[in-house]
Amino acid sequence: DVKVTQSSRYLVKRTGEKVFLECVQDMDHENMFWYRQDPGLGLRLIYFSYDVKMKEKGDIPEGYSVSREKKERFSLILESASTNQTSMYLCASSLFGRAEAFFGQGTRLTVV
Amino acid sequence: ILNVEQSPQSLHVQEGDSTNFTCSFPSSNFYALHWYRWETAKSPEALFVMTLNGDEKKKGRISATLNTKEGYSYLYIKGSQPEDSATYLCASRGGNNNDMRFGAGTRLTVKP
Repeated sequence: DVKVTQSSRYLVKRTGEKVFLECVQDMDHENMFWYRQDPGLGLRLIYFSYDVKMKEKGDIPEGYSVSREKKERFSLILESASTNQTSMYLCASSLFGRAEAFFGQGTRLTVV
Repeated sequence: ILNVEQSPQSLHVQEGDSTNFTCSFPSSNFYALHWYRWETAKSPEALFVMTLNGDEKKKGRISATLNTKEGYSYLYIKGSQPEDSATYLCASRGGNNNDMRFGAGTRLTVKP
């Protein structure tokens, strides 16, 4: 079975902190994605990666950056956390192409 | 930016009712259309991956159709059961680097 693992289920951080959300997949997938989920807005794409060191901005990249140094790991970085970044963050991975995505369990981040 | 739209936003039906949801997506640069089911406290899981115009897929009481020329897909649930209660998401894959963008979802509640 494909496994996508996010480093934390719940996280509480202070405004201004630098926050790292980690995602690891074990199926050699080329594509990895970061989304945030807010009520009524569905899953909004923050960044995605299609290969090691390759990334592309999604629809809401402001305030975020990403890192993909190894194929299995895709990190989302909040450079200076703000209260409007309080949300559920979901990581997903897939083969390149038409394939379905597999999701991590989500990280509920609260910025106080 | 791909705009994926879903309707209705939410739906309440009685056990045994049949129901359907709509997903619309930009038909240009289309690669694949996915349907996911997202139950509370779980991760989204793929129901269908659809690629060709006219595709019809079926899994038990759930089926889906695809029209790539006009940019829409329907998901049907026949004889809804309480365990069908979930949020149903559609996602469009496309773009040069194979991004994946979601609609806001349809939240289905099936009352016994």
